[in-house]
Amino acid sequence: QKEVEQDPGPLSVPEGAIVSLNCTYSNSAFQYFMWYRQYSRKGPELLMYTYSSGNKEDGRFTAQVDKSSKYISLFIRDSQPSDSATYLCAMSTAAGNKLTFGGGTRVLVKP
Amino acid sequence: GAVVSQHPSRVICKSGTSVKIECRSLDFQATTMFWYRQFPKQSLMLMATSNEGSKATYEQGVEKDKFLINHASLTLSTLTVTSAHPEDSSFYICSAGQGEAGNTIYFGEGSWLTVV
Repeated sequence: QKEVEQDPGPLSVPEGAIVSLNCTYSNSAFQYFMWYRQYSRKGPELLMYTYSSGNKEDGRFTAQVDKSSKYISLFIRDSQPSDSATYLCAMSTAAGNKLTFGGGTRVLVKP
Repeated sequence: GAVVSQHPSRVICKSGTSVKIECRSLDFQATTMFWYRQFPKQSLMLMATSNEGSKATYEQGVEKDKFLINHASLTLSTLTVTSAHPEDSSFYICSAGQGEAGNTIYFGEGSWLTVV
């Protein structure tokens, strides 16, 4: 079993819909949780960063962490075709430490 | 703008030669940088942790003599793929932590290596 599980998709939604992404993990020592967006042949771009449990909102993006369930989510409101990319969840046990990634979910937002 | 820069973004080399990839943190110092490898349609695989002023820490299964890492300064880490073979062709990405305790990790743009 992988430390971090993420549905590979693809997840196809119409433009304007809410995109819902999630990851589950097994290591209770994870404290820092991140979501990255990666376009084809590009490096990952940090979208959201959360420490411990709770919600965080930034523009159209909302990240949620539920440590009791070992479950994290990313919601994208008013999705745009430009949001079509692979979304990677990542987590670490300590600040500045190495990241453990989910496998990534490919998202396609159709105009 | 980018806070971590990688160079070159794309390189083609002949089998048996060595290739160096640079990773620079822009406007901040990074005592630790990370090197990843990514195959098409797969997630990032951590290769090694680069520590400024000391030896890199390699993940299990990564050949340290083949993938030489040098963290010469607080803003520069290099990955040298030695005696490259076609199976080393891949997307190599570095990352560095910014902010308090380096807790916000940014990635470089990645470097595509093709060995022919």
